[in-house]
Amino acid sequence: SQTIHQWPATLVQPVGSPLSLECTVEGTSNPNLYWYRQAAGRGLQLLFYSVGIGQISSEVPQNLSASRPQDRQFILSSKKLLLSDSGFYLCAWSVQGVAPLLFGQGTRLTVV
Amino acid sequence: SQQGEEDPQALSIQEGENATMNCSYKTSINNLQWYRQNSGRGLVHLILIRSNEREKHSGRLRVTLDTSKKSSSLLITASRAADTASYFCATAYGGSQGNLIFGKGTKLSVKP
Repeated sequence: SQTIHQWPATLVQPVGSPLSLECTVEGTSNPNLYWYRQAAGRGLQLLFYSVGIGQISSEVPQNLSASRPQDRQFILSSKKLLLSDSGFYLCAWSVQGVAPLLFGQGTRLTVV
Repeated sequence: SQQGEEDPQALSIQEGENATMNCSYKTSINNLQWYRQNSGRGLVHLILIRSNEREKHSGRLRVTLDTSKKSSSLLITASRAADTASYFCATAYGGSQGNLIFGKGTKLSVKP
């Protein structure tokens, strides 16, 4: 069966520190991969998506970047965190060209 | 801008009652999806309705779609305390069906 792992579950980081959130998918190959962010009381905002290794599309200009070094691995990074980067980050995957999205359990990031 | 907008923002009902949530969107869609999110957790896909469908059922869930009004509704019948969660509608845009635009959600509270 397919599963998605996202870690860590919670993270408190000081302003200006780097960030690395990791997401891996098991039980499938060549998935579409996504990073979403959810601010408190808000809907989800698509940050990045990837249709293949090394292929990253950015939806919103920001302080973050994403990479896909392996087929089932998706990493969200920042060199220097801002207070506004706080939020709930969700990784998701789908079969290429087919809905729906399957989400990880999320990472609660607090930048202090 | 938001594609899907849910209404109401919050809904509080008693166990056994029905809960109805509405979603409006702005542009043409291929499909509309409903997701559920328990507090602090990832989203779980509930149901997908295609643009050529008018109604779909899944257990206690009933979804309707009116493309002429660009609106959808989610009905949960005979609600249970375990249905307490936030519910989001999402519509797909762009070449990848995973590029979903989510609304801000309806927060449903079912009291025992």
